[in-house]
Formats: sequence, structure tokens, C-alpha cells
Amino acid sequence: GAGVSQSPSNKVTEKGKDVELRCDPISGHTALYWYRQSLGQGLEFLIYFQGNSAPDKSGLPSDRFSAERTGGSVSTLTIQRTQQEDSAVYLCASSLVGGLTNQPQHFGDGTRLSIL
Amino acid sequence: AQKITQTQPGMFVQEKEAVTLDCTYDTSDPSYGLFWYKQPSSGEMIFLIYQGSYDQQNATEGRYSLNFQKARKSANLVISASQLGDSAMYFCAMREGTNSGYSTLTFGKGTMLLVSP
Repeated sequence: GAGVSQSPSNKVTEKGKDVELRCDPISGHTALYWYRQSLGQGLEFLIYFQGNSAPDKSGLPSDRFSAERTGGSVSTLTIQRTQQEDSAVYLCASSLVGGLTNQPQHFGDGTRLSIL
Repeated sequence: AQKITQTQPGMFVQEKEAVTLDCTYDTSDPSYGLFWYKQPSSGEMIFLIYQGSYDQQNATEGRYSLNFQKARKSANLVISASQLGDSAMYFCAMREGTNSGYSTLTFGKGTMLLVSP
């Protein structure tokens, strides 16, 4: 498809397990972003990729969270030893470039993560 | 201080009426961009409209227009002729220009709009 693709759309797992969330950005978009949205809240920035490098990881809430991007395309967000407070919708977005103020970010449908 | 403030947690409007969703922002950067996104109950974030800090005219996209008042640091979204399908959460967001050439979007907490028949 032409849009940002995220998988899985839903993930239910037990506390303490590791999870991997995947994002496939729009073809040709060099910038990729991960956000977290808790129930009824706005979006919380997690990490930004330009190409394969992550110049801004300031939003990652703890060292249990990590992300990588390979080939300038697909990105994986990994949460280790999940906790119940990690339950949220994880949204991925991409834009043509990261450095221009007028570039809109285009979002995927998100992964709804539920930690039991 | 919050960079993006949306003071209306919820708004109600009747179909075919116009509605204004408020957004104020805080930045000392002369170069910035303002965005509005719509998030229906299905969860996807849909880009609606963009306004640049140096744009001389208010942005318009179909039924959406942005009432940009730079001195007051406000960027209100106006939806004309509301439709039932406009019922959704609406987020205002800002990207600041930086010397590093990068900044991310900062989002407000959103306004829930409900359109009634």
C-alpha cells in the first residue's frame, strides 16, 4: 500500500515478556518517528530516525525501550520486560525529510499494546 | 510551559454549522510550522492542514481553514458546514525550526468534536 504500515495491529502479552513492533514507512520517506498514545491522551514522542540513524532518542521512557531502522526503511520498536504502564497505542509516522518545518508526518494505524 | 494548548476538551456542533477549535502555542523560534490532525475512533491520525510561520495568508483545505493570529500565537481550526463524519479527536501540533535542521512535532492534548444530526 501507499501509506505507513504497522504490525501487529493488536498485541496482548504478559507482563515481563518482550515485544517487537514493526513500522514500514511510505516509500521514499527518509524520516521516521515513533509515538506513544495512552488512553485519552495526546501523543508522546519516543524516537526519530533520519535514514538509519537516530539523532533524537530523548523520548524513550526507559532503557527497556529500543528501536532500530535498517535499509532506511523498516523500523522495529522493542520493549523488553514489559510493564503494565507500557499499555498504549504505539504510532509510527514518516515524512519526506526530517529537517523542514513544513513537512507533514503521515501516520500508520498504530499497534494497540495491552500488557496483562 | 506547554508548547501547545488546546483548552476545549470537548465541543458539540450541529450538522451543517461551522465550528472553531482553539489552539495556542508557545515558541521563541521565528520559524515554525503548525499542523492539525484528525483522529477518528478508528485510531488513525489524518493530516488536515498546515500553516507556516512566514505564510502571509491563512491556510485553507476544502472545508478546513486555519485562523492564524501570529501576534496572539493562536492557530484555530475552523471547520465549515460540519458533517457527521467530522466527529473525531482533533490535535494541534507544532514543529519548530532549529539550527540542527530537525525538530519533532509537539502535540496538544486534543479536542473531541461531536457532530449531531
